[in-house]
Amino acid sequence: AQSVTQPDIHITVSEGASLELRCNYSYGATPYLFWYVQSPGQGLQLLLKYFSGDTLVQGIKGFEAEFKRSQSSFNLRKPSVHWSDAAEYFCAVGEETGANNLFFGTGTRLTVIP
Amino acid sequence: DTAVSQTPKYLVTQMGNDKSIKCEQNLGHDTMYWYKQDSKKFLKIMFSYNNKELIINETVPNRFSPKSPDKAHLNLHINSLELGDSAVYFCASSPRGHNSPLHFGNGTRLTVT
Repeated sequence: AQSVTQPDIHITVSEGASLELRCNYSYGATPYLFWYVQSPGQGLQLLLKYFSGDTLVQGIKGFEAEFKRSQSSFNLRKPSVHWSDAAEYFCAVGEETGANNLFFGTGTRLTVIP
Repeated sequence: DTAVSQTPKYLVTQMGNDKSIKCEQNLGHDTMYWYKQDSKKFLKIMFSYNNKELIINETVPNRFSPKSPDKAHLNLHINSLELGDSAVYFCASSPRGHNSPLHFGNGTRLTVT
């Protein structure tokens, strides 16, 4: 069965520092992978997705993620964090059945300190 | 504005009551969903409708019943509310196509007292 693990519950970084949020997935076939961001009181917004092809994908707001099949990982990165990036970040994996059923990780809360 | 909108934003009610949450999307999407986010932020799908047809129905109590009058609307009705139903409920939609990205509403925070 599909599953997603986000090992870090809470991360704190200084504004301007680099960021990496970890995501590990479990899925038998080629995964469809997503990163979503949730600001307080808001719904989730798609940052980026990986289906196939180039393993380094670019997203919105300066985020990127790298798919590493050998490590079953899809870590999210940003070279320089802005205070507005403080939010909850969710990694998700989709299945191949076509039912569009996403399995979400438990999220990583990002705090940005000035 | 094009969006997924759900009402109400907050819902406080007593155990045993029946309540509904409404969702509408004007994105022209074919598929709509209900997700539940618990107090630990864990997000899990409850239902999915494609062109008014139920395609995903996860293990959810029968007290929860989705209704899709047309492909732009997916409402969630909950009977005999219980304390454990307290959560944030998110409506979402996506265009046709496998693993199309989801567009979420801003959520409805349900508190059962």
